[in-house]
Amino acid sequence: EAQVTQNPRYLITVTGKKLTVTCSQNMNHEYMSWYRQDPGLGLRQIYYSMNVEVTDKGDVPEGYKVSRKEKRNFPLILESPSPNQTSLYFCASSFKGWAYSNQPQHFGDGTRLSIL
Amino acid sequence: GIQVEQSPPDLILQEGANSTLRCNFSDSVNNLQWFHQNPWGQLINLFYIPSGTKQNGRLSATTVATERYSLLYISSSQTTDSGVYFCAAPYGGATNKLIFGTGTLLAVQP
Repeated sequence: EAQVTQNPRYLITVTGKKLTVTCSQNMNHEYMSWYRQDPGLGLRQIYYSMNVEVTDKGDVPEGYKVSRKEKRNFPLILESPSPNQTSLYFCASSFKGWAYSNQPQHFGDGTRLSIL
Repeated sequence: GIQVEQSPPDLILQEGANSTLRCNFSDSVNNLQWFHQNPWGQLINLFYIPSGTKQNGRLSATTVATERYSLLYISSSQTTDSGVYFCAAPYGGATNKLIFGTGTLLAVQP
């Protein structure tokens, strides 16, 4: 089954404790992206990747890191989480990027992070 | 960068009613997509609609690129249509950055 898998689905942690949210897709997609969703603000893009070893900043990259060492994986790293990073996070992938957007984006089921 | 605004912010319908959701964007775009987030939080692509009209069952979408807006039509609404509808456009030009509108929350009552 074609899917984007995020882990964990839920996490409560404390300020400053490094964490990683994993994202994996099994569709051989080149484009992957991370979003955060906050009430009243909709979804905002954090980082995206056009292919292996190619990443770029989205609208709200501060406080986050990503890596794309393999095509299928695109982890989101919070080196020193803070309470303002409490949010619902989505990973997505598509065959190509937005320049070829007749390809749909497939989303993971979301990760709800609470930073205390 | 481009601004994307959606209206109305929320909408309550009786089952069977029709509705129109609107997405305005501040600059010309070369593509635009509509998404649905169901009450369980899952996000689904609905349409890729840079211009013209597309239909998929009870849903259709129209984008008038020259006037910088897109419309999503839901006919004969069902309770399963409930959720949040987002439109999204490239951040600026032919980029792979993406900006979403703040969404329309739709509640369809039986």
